Amino acid sequence: SYVVTQPPSVSVAPGQTARITCGGNNIGSKSVHWYQQKPGQAPVLVVYDDSDRPSEIPERFSGSNSGNTATLTISRVEAGDEADYYCQVWDSSSDHVVFGGGTKLTVL
Amino acid sequence: EVQLVESGGGLVQPGGSLRLSCAASGFNFSSYEMNWVRQAPGKGLEWVSYISSSGYTIYYADSVQGRFTISRDNAKNSLYLQMNILRAEDTAVYYCARDRRLDLWGRGTLVTVSS
Repeated sequence: SYVVTQPPSVSVAPGQTARITCGGNNIGSKSVHWYQQKPGQAPVLVVYDDSDRPSEIPERFSGSNSGNTATLTISRVEAGDEADYYCQVWDSSSDHVVFGGGTKLTVL
Repeated sequence: EVQLVESGGGLVQPGGSLRLSCAASGFNFSSYEMNWVRQAPGKGLEWVSYISSSGYTIYYADSVQGRFTISRDNAKNSLYLQMNILRAEDTAVYYCARDRRLDLWGRGTLVTVSS
């Protein structure tokens, strides 16, 4: 089955740029979606189809996907961005939704 | 308001059964694919099951195949998950989520499997 890999943690100072990666075999051929989950809350979609953003999500959140790596980029990081972030793809070979293990973003 | 609301969680003994429900409102439920996703305490997200908008196409994670059954009633704007032969490792918050993009989530319902 398809596997996607995320770093367990990423740390960044306020105002800087955070980049969270999602690795998978030829993931660039798949559509990648990203979710933000704060403690005690349900996940929220922040980027879909690699780089599109729901209207309610700030422009500071962006995504890219090429080759074996998809990336969620958060510009001008704020304290309120501290959360767990998950990537997700649809594996058409198994007809399964696949999640990455999640990345905890810490704002220093 | 566009929302999903799960219900039906609770404490159940190993080997027992539970039926979860997800009530949809504010959008055309019958046009959307739906999913169940769970999250064990302190762990990451785990996809459980998918159902097409018509209900004719269904997929399950290997961990629940043969024990869980997903279904929907488009007339009632509702999604269901029948969970049988429950195990301790099924303990989790269960979320319903809309579409393959999982663009809308409910707040979840907690299922605890313990004796």
